[in-house]
Amino acid sequence: QQQVKQSPQSLIVQKGGISIINCAYENTAFDYFPWYQQFPGKGPALLIAIRPDVSEKKEGRFTISFNKSAKQFSLHIMDSQPGDSATYFCAASHTTSGTYKYIFGTGTRLKVLA
Amino acid sequence: NAGVTQTPKFQVLKTGQSMTLQCAQDMNHEYMSWYRQDPGMGLRLIHYSVGAGITDQGEVPNGYNVSRSTTEDFPLRLLSAAPSQTSVYFCASSRQHRGPGLVTEAFFGQGTRLTVV
Repeated sequence: QQQVKQSPQSLIVQKGGISIINCAYENTAFDYFPWYQQFPGKGPALLIAIRPDVSEKKEGRFTISFNKSAKQFSLHIMDSQPGDSATYFCAASHTTSGTYKYIFGTGTRLKVLA
Repeated sequence: NAGVTQTPKFQVLKTGQSMTLQCAQDMNHEYMSWYRQDPGMGLRLIHYSVGAGITDQGEVPNGYNVSRSTTEDFPLRLLSAAPSQTSVYFCASSRQHRGPGLVTEAFFGQGTRLTVV
């Protein structure tokens, strides 16, 4: 019940295309869903996050779509650029539990071709 | 503006050796945690702490010890290194939530790449 399943494992997109990464969770107590971006040799960094009281959040070219009934959320990268090439992790957290733990997906390695 | 600092960046150990991975943050964050990152398995929580003197186990705690004597430092100890502990280790910190609906991002260090031979 603590799992967060992420797909695809890897993704290749042409420059200017749309990159879509999907995640599904099981624990309905999760109430915070961040996406982290990681470049080679670096630690993950927060990209965008959403709470389940909204169905979509957009920040620049990055959009999270959230489907509470299906227990799924996805990251859309519009007009993908070579600089977006990185590994992306979805995560989920139960913020009211007092433990502040994140459950991460397995990651998606995105490569944007110039 | 250091953020979360991990040392060392690289380490090679022999099976059975012990060592401590250091983690320090200068943001006065209450919450700190250790993750390991393995190919195809994402980030898995090893141990975490919600404040000085308080620690708890995560998903994969076996073979690791932690302590939190100060707000700033959260070292991870490998008691007797095994090849299965070859991984990249990340330390993270975040500010404690102040109530439902209030969340803060987790800041990660640059990682320690550990190889156990």
